[in-house]
Amino acid sequence: AQRVTQPEKLLSVFKGAPVELKCNYSYSGSPELFWYVQYSRQRLQLLLRHISRESIKGFTADLNKGETSFHLKKPFAQEEDSAMYYCALSLSTGNQFYFGTGTSLTVIP
Amino acid sequence: GAVVSQHPSWVICKSGTSVKIECRSLDFQATTMFWYRQFPKQSLMLMATSNEGSKATYEQGVEKDKFLINHASLTLSTLTVTSAHPEDSSFYICSARVGGTVSDQPQHFGDGTRLSIL
Repeated sequence: AQRVTQPEKLLSVFKGAPVELKCNYSYSGSPELFWYVQYSRQRLQLLLRHISRESIKGFTADLNKGETSFHLKKPFAQEEDSAMYYCALSLSTGNQFYFGTGTSLTVIP
Repeated sequence: GAVVSQHPSWVICKSGTSVKIECRSLDFQATTMFWYRQFPKQSLMLMATSNEGSKATYEQGVEKDKFLINHASLTLSTLTVTSAHPEDSSFYICSARVGGTVSDQPQHFGDGTRLSIL
């Protein structure tokens, strides 16, 4: 069963516009959720995690247990935000880590 | 900090040969490392969890005899694709978690290994 769902494969927004990348998860335990980003020709790197409730590069994500969502948001998109974004779920056992299918974000100048 | 090195970055070999991929945590100890496979334009699929000093835990559908994992030290895990065939061609990525199996710790990824079987 798909544990992490990212409904949008491709997303394009204009520079300066708000952006939201959707992520829904399926897990009955206590989830640990992450957003990873992969810029062109670079390795996958952590963007942020829900437990730290931080804002990285202007991005924020709030865990909504009622809606089982962890959407990634940024109020004003920048060209350098163009990348592949993956939502990921870590099970409370710690030994399994599931990625969504990814959303390719393009910020149009 | 938290750098993961993966080697080789690209390997091409004939069908039937075995290929070993190394994953090293350079500046931290990793009791747990993870191996993923990524097909073009698709997401990462967890293949197995590599545990230092014990057997790896494989995901459903992953052949443990085909993909041999060894985690002999706290900084090195290896994935050996045995008797590789063209359908094994893919991008293999490893990651390591600082703090072992603590679920709220993020993973740090290697650059990946592109495996091409002729």
